[in-house]
Amino acid sequence: GAGVSQSPRYKVAKRGQDVALRCDPISGHVSLFWYQQALGQGPEFLTYFQNEAQLDKSGLPSDRFFAERPEGSVSTLKIQRTQQEDSAVYLCASSTHQGPSYEQYFGPGTRLTVT
Amino acid sequence: AQKVTQAQTEISVVEKEDVTLDCVYETRDTTYYLFWYKQPPSGELVFLIRRNSFDEQNEISGRYSWNFQKSTSSFNFTITASQVVDSAVYFCALRRSGGSNYKLTFGKGTLLTVNP
Repeated sequence: GAGVSQSPRYKVAKRGQDVALRCDPISGHVSLFWYQQALGQGPEFLTYFQNEAQLDKSGLPSDRFFAERPEGSVSTLKIQRTQQEDSAVYLCASSTHQGPSYEQYFGPGTRLTVT
Repeated sequence: AQKVTQAQTEISVVEKEDVTLDCVYETRDTTYYLFWYKQPPSGELVFLIRRNSFDEQNEISGRYSWNFQKSTSSFNFTITASQVVDSAVYFCALRRSGGSNYKLTFGKGTLLTVNP
């Protein structure tokens, strides 16, 4: 079946521009996560949704970052007034249940480059 | 706070060699889950294994094996008879088993290169 998809796969933005990154989770998956992966580093947690509820946004680095999942399926991560330090791969993951024993399935990521 | 350390930044081996990737973790939780993920050049993280902190039994899956030792807070990953297709970045990760947030805490990864 279809896995997690993300679009665009690559995004180049000029500093100060706003960007929107999309995540389509596996159909029926309750939980959705966003992670940020800087070059040569491991993914770092940004935010977590259970259905449409954003239960944790403690990893968002600043108030320029905003995420939503209005209908409990597709999610969008928005970054306002992008800065060079925002350059990274943004990974989305979904999980079939809300329990900790269910593995997260990752999408291919969106590589954001801010120039 | 939770932390995962993968001390080996890069490892290079010749095909058919065995290789072990180290993972050491820190957590105050008494119950937790440990994971290994593979990230090939395409970028997508591929789930390899999940281990519950209650279960210290080692696991083998084909050429892959995992050694979980709670006493030393380690969860090492061994590839036997490595192949070129094993070349990738491997991440160890930790997750709480309680609470309502199941976010993963990752190590920085180990880049494995298997040369023919």
